[in-house]
Amino acid sequence: SAVISQKPSRDICQRGTSLTIQCQVDSQVTMMFWYRQQPGQSLTLIATANQGSEATYESGFVIDKFPISRPNLTFSTLTVSNMSPEDSSIYLCSVGSTEPYNEQFFGPGTRLTVL
Amino acid sequence: AQSVAQPEDQVNVAEGNPLTVKCTYSVSGNPYLFWYVQYPNRGLQFLLKYITGDNLVKGSYGFEAEFNKSQTSFHLKKPSALVSDSALYFCAVRDIWTGFQKLVFGTGTRLLVSP
Repeated sequence: SAVISQKPSRDICQRGTSLTIQCQVDSQVTMMFWYRQQPGQSLTLIATANQGSEATYESGFVIDKFPISRPNLTFSTLTVSNMSPEDSSIYLCSVGSTEPYNEQFFGPGTRLTVL
Repeated sequence: AQSVAQPEDQVNVAEGNPLTVKCTYSVSGNPYLFWYVQYPNRGLQFLLKYITGDNLVKGSYGFEAEFNKSQTSFHLKKPSALVSDSALYFCAVRDIWTGFQKLVFGTGTRLLVSP
């Protein structure tokens, strides 16, 4: 299984600012995903990030608000832009393969609080 | 669309007793089903999966799950609960309509094991 780290682990930010979350994997992976977990809620997929191509965003999420980079096969960043208190959530990255029977592995998450 | 439902927000069980966390699914085609656990302030950890074959799947930490096609269920079970099993449990299914890339999560069930 892949070992995934995220930075920062938590942050408290002021509204109107932006935060970039980093996700580092200890091995090369094809597919990386970014999820949001709002307080007391389930996980919602924000976007899929494949190396060498633009990220694919889910309905309700746009690139201007959540720009994603995927410069290589072991690293990705998610930026939460122009934050509001509604963006307070846990943001998780995960990695997977194109095979449907393989599980995804998740990072420890970044807990974001926006004041 | 593929979906999973977790009908119980919370399950309470005494230590040493058997536990069951329920999950039902709705899919087109063959289901690829997963269980994850989230401990406080931690990311998601993979427990087990059903792809094909035996209906009883064994996973990590003594957990198992029973796939029942006629009842479209994939309940998580453990013969003897531990206090340390207290956590948030998520059922998930691969989304066939995105080429199986996307995981769709249930709403989660909080398990509380009392001493």
